[in-house]
Amino acid sequence: DAKTTQPNSMESNEEEPVHLPCNHSTISGTDYIHWYRQLPSQGPEYVIHGLTSNVNNRMASLAIAEDRKSSTLILHRATLRDAAVYYCILRDYNFNKFYFGSGTKLNVKP
Amino acid sequence: GAVVSQHPSRVICKSGTSVKIECRSLDFQATTMFWYRQFPKQSLMLMATSNEGSKATYEQGVEKDKFLINHASLTLSTLTVTSAHPEDSSFYICSARDRPLAPNTEAFFGQGTRLTVV
Repeated sequence: DAKTTQPNSMESNEEEPVHLPCNHSTISGTDYIHWYRQLPSQGPEYVIHGLTSNVNNRMASLAIAEDRKSSTLILHRATLRDAAVYYCILRDYNFNKFYFGSGTKLNVKP
Repeated sequence: GAVVSQHPSRVICKSGTSVKIECRSLDFQATTMFWYRQFPKQSLMLMATSNEGSKATYEQGVEKDKFLINHASLTLSTLTVTSAHPEDSSFYICSARDRPLAPNTEAFFGQGTRLTVV
């Protein structure tokens, strides 16, 4: 899988929006951009994914750059329960596997 | 959404013994499952791909005789850590997808198994 780069950690205040960036400059045309998060001592949880267009769901929004070399996960109103490690992963059409990068640890302050 | 369940969630075993971890897809059939391990404060590392009815494929550097994987049915994969040692202590996580060949579908993860070898 193509490599992704994320900041090691970010901090946010409760009830404020959070923008989590991800760089994937070597993305190919068939790679989907997936985001997962992992709460302490739990398995990862699906957040959102997209290919080219921006995506919204009940958890978050995904903004994808026009050249697809970067994306941003947007949590519209952070809560304490959103404190987790967020992983940005590229999913190739021809491969079945997920390779995790180092992720961004999000700390939410009350 | 689809659910993947792991058992046990936590296990302590003595050095030299073997431990089996189960991964079940509860409401879908999974021809392929994946096993990860995660050390404290590190990311998930893919260990192997479990294929129903055939041999598992292991990532480079993972000992297949040490980590035995069996995928005997469409809803169950097991990981056996053989002759466990303290350095095998880790958080083991399985994953499955209900439509594995579609890249635009999500993966589902188990809740993880905390293995401690004493």
